[in-house]
Amino acid sequence: RKEVEQDPGPFNVPEGATVAFNCTYSNSASQSFFWYRQDCRKEPKLLMSVYSSGNEDGRFTAQLNRASQYISLLIRDSKLSDSATYLCVVIIVGGTSYGKLTFGQGTILTVHP
Amino acid sequence: DAGITQSPRHKVTETGTPVTLRCHQTENHRYMYWYRQDPGHGLRLIHYSYGVKDTDKGEVSDGYSVSRSKTEDFLLTLESATSSQTSVYFCAISVLAGGLETQYFGPGTRLLVL
Repeated sequence: RKEVEQDPGPFNVPEGATVAFNCTYSNSASQSFFWYRQDCRKEPKLLMSVYSSGNEDGRFTAQLNRASQYISLLIRDSKLSDSATYLCVVIIVGGTSYGKLTFGQGTILTVHP
Repeated sequence: DAGITQSPRHKVTETGTPVTLRCHQTENHRYMYWYRQDPGHGLRLIHYSYGVKDTDKGEVSDGYSVSRSKTEDFLLTLESATSSQTSVYFCAISVLAGGLETQYFGPGTRLLVL
């Protein structure tokens, strides 16, 4: 079983739609959670951190459920510019005190007119 | 922008040749990382560094070595490139802010081994 699993999609939605992605993680020692966005042939870029109480940034809402070990990302009022691959990222802080990032394979989103 | 550059950005090489990729950062970050990204596998950690001359292996370190002689530079070397090392390589740094560690990535190097 992969440490971080995402539905690869692709998700094809019209502009203005609401779309949600889920991600599950297997290691209960996971301590930090993020969503990254990656455009075609570009580097991953941090979209938002995910806090235990849930957090919102404009049209984007992230939720964490530690008991069920999943993270979600909700995008409201989708824009064409939201088309990208969304990566779920989990950090397990180990004995060396560095954060071991584990990436999901990504969920592809295409927003069409 | 975390001030990370990678060179070269693209490289084509032949099997068996040595290849060195460079990651350069301008903000004195202690932790630096090398990842590779492949279809079906996502991003996987090759090696990381937690200071000058302090490095350790990641999950896919076989066939790769690294060096960090200065804080700002982290080099990844393929001693004898193989076709299985054709990939996109990303360098990253860690930033700790508000008790939360976040990683930022360089623009990537596309390597093709023929």
